[in-house]
Amino acid sequence: GENVEQHPSTLSVQEGDSAVIKCTYSDSASNYFPWYKQELGKGPQLIIDIRSNVGEKKDQRIAVTLNKTAKHFSLHITETQPEDSAVYFCAATAVNTGFQKLVFGTGTRLLVSP
Amino acid sequence: GAVVSQHPSWVICKSGTSVKIECRSLDFQATTMFWYRQFPKQSLMLMATSNEGSKATYEQGVEKDKFLINHASLTLSTLTVTSAHPEDSSFYICSAIAGGYTDTQYFGPGTRLTVL
Repeated sequence: GENVEQHPSTLSVQEGDSAVIKCTYSDSASNYFPWYKQELGKGPQLIIDIRSNVGEKKDQRIAVTLNKTAKHFSLHITETQPEDSAVYFCAATAVNTGFQKLVFGTGTRLLVSP
Repeated sequence: GAVVSQHPSWVICKSGTSVKIECRSLDFQATTMFWYRQFPKQSLMLMATSNEGSKATYEQGVEKDKFLINHASLTLSTLTVTSAHPEDSSFYICSAIAGGYTDTQYFGPGTRLTVL
């Protein structure tokens, strides 16, 4: 089945710096890659997603890149702010009969210091 | 749009009792809902997939008789933890996808279950 690895597990940056989180997946048939932000005690919030027919997608300070050949995708956050501090999860679809089940990475705890 | 709610947000119960958690899609019809469990500082682990009007599909290692799932309508799925024990204490999160072919999962705020 699908396996998603995520690095780093923790990331500390200064406010205004950029942050990059990387994920790799194993199933070449995966075609949907969302990123979620989870604040303490809350459910994950979808922040951006990308599909396999696109190499890059950007939404203001957040961007995601996908390399299908290498089977990895990355989240880029520019001009980080303290409110960006949270745990970020990448995920990939595990193609299954009729349902799009997501397989999650292990998470990256991002700390943005003022 | 795409709001998912859960109730209760937290619950404390005694060992041996049953607890029901509700998951609702507020502004869309959810043909498929998912239930996850998350232990502290860990990732989300899928427990089961439920489709409206049919039996839930459980992931390997998840006891279907212990975690009862009902998806009786297009906006409501419930998870009942039967005969709860302290090891069932966790953060339970549901997600939902709209009808038609779509991959986007929208998550609820989660329910913190503590079993004494």
